[in-house]
Amino acid sequence: NAGVTQTPKFRILKIGQSMTLQCTQDMNHNYMYWYRQDPGMGLKLIYYSVGAGITDKGEVPNGYNVSRSTTEDFPLRLELAAPSQTSVYFCASSYLEAGRQPQHFGDGTRLSIL
Amino acid sequence: GQQVMQIPQYQHVQEGEDFTTYCNSSTTLSNIQWYKQRPGGHPVFLIQLVKSGEVKKQKRLTFQFGEAKKNSSLHITATQTTDVGTYFCAAGNFGNEKLTFGTGTRLTIIP
Repeated sequence: NAGVTQTPKFRILKIGQSMTLQCTQDMNHNYMYWYRQDPGMGLKLIYYSVGAGITDKGEVPNGYNVSRSTTEDFPLRLELAAPSQTSVYFCASSYLEAGRQPQHFGDGTRLSIL
Repeated sequence: GQQVMQIPQYQHVQEGEDFTTYCNSSTTLSNIQWYKQRPGGHPVFLIQLVKSGEVKKQKRLTFQFGEAKKNSSLHITATQTTDVGTYFCAAGNFGNEKLTFGTGTRLTIIP
């Protein structure tokens, strides 16, 4: 059982480039989340989804976009990469809303913007 | 918005000593979850507390939810090198799709 899978694991981008961070889960979870974690800091919610076709902003959505066309996939798009977006990005999922069920995290994508 | 603070931010202990981290919310919570993140790893769910005054144990780990459901604590007895990592609390409210993660406490063990 793979759980939550994130790709790529590492990436270096130049300022102004775009990329998509992939996240897929095989647990048939309705709820999916994207977090960023800056060095030595906690987790900040970027976007989340309560089901296919439904997304909403979290605490730090600026500079990012998401889509949820299927239950399994929840990609995160960076359109114009900036140095402030250097961080570790975690995708997570849960069967019920986050306040009632534990979240399952992927291994993360370590992104550097130079 | 909801804020969740954890203290201390860092804790260095000798192997075998006890460790406690505290989580405080500005609002009354429906429940609280605890996660552990090993260095270079991802957060892993440890436990969820729901009831006022609830205490749960997992081997050397003891989790407590305050009577007013505004604070929580995690206590580790006789720390081991495998306990190294950052411990996060995460506040939840039933019907709310989001968790609010605390600032975390980073535990290092001196062998």
